[in-house]
Amino acid sequence: AQKVTQAQTEISVVEKEDVTLDCVYETRDTTYYLFWYKQPPSGELVFLIRRNSFDEQNEISGRYSWNFQKSTSSFNFTITASQVVDSAVYFCALSEADLYSGGGADGLTFGKGTHLIIQP
Amino acid sequence: AAGVIQSPRHLIKEKRETATLKCYPISRHDTVYWYQQGPGQDPQFLISFYEKMQSDKGSIPDRFSAQQFSDYHSELNMSSLELGDSALYFCASSLTRGTDTQYFGPGTRLTVL
Repeated sequence: AQKVTQAQTEISVVEKEDVTLDCVYETRDTTYYLFWYKQPPSGELVFLIRRNSFDEQNEISGRYSWNFQKSTSSFNFTITASQVVDSAVYFCALSEADLYSGGGADGLTFGKGTHLIIQP
Repeated sequence: AAGVIQSPRHLIKEKRETATLKCYPISRHDTVYWYQQGPGQDPQFLISFYEKMQSDKGSIPDRFSAQQFSDYHSELNMSSLELGDSALYFCASSLTRGTDTQYFGPGTRLTVL
């Protein structure tokens, strides 16, 4: 079965520091998708990025960047020059689309989340 | 464009009562998902619907049922509520089923007393 591990339960940094959130996944499928979601204190789940298993290009969006490495089954997320508004719980999630999951399972498998605290 | 709408946003019920949560997906999204997030936990997939038919099932208790209507909105019905059902319930929608991006609603916070 698929699994997502976010080993960092909580990270606290001072504003303007760079911070990397780790995500390691397990799947038997060759076709899968990885996601990052942000959950601020208000509680909603905000979509950040979706990456398919065939696209290992790193992606940068403003202060956010993602590093996908199939060789280590990792999909890490870096925030550059962190700001107080980045404080939230960040979830990494996996979705499978291949034969082992019966032709595609709908539900996302989430990691336990990393609580990021940015101190002013 | 409007996002996923969920109602009510907050709900307080007594044990053994029944609750109904509603979800209105993003326009033209044909797949709806329900998740349950307990305090300090990650969201757990409950059930999904594609084109008004049940598509996939996760860890949904037998006391819960759901359906998707002709206008694509969905309802999650929860009966014989237990204290452990207190959680944040999210609805998400996607353009099509499977691995498309799921966009989440703001959630319904259910408290069972």
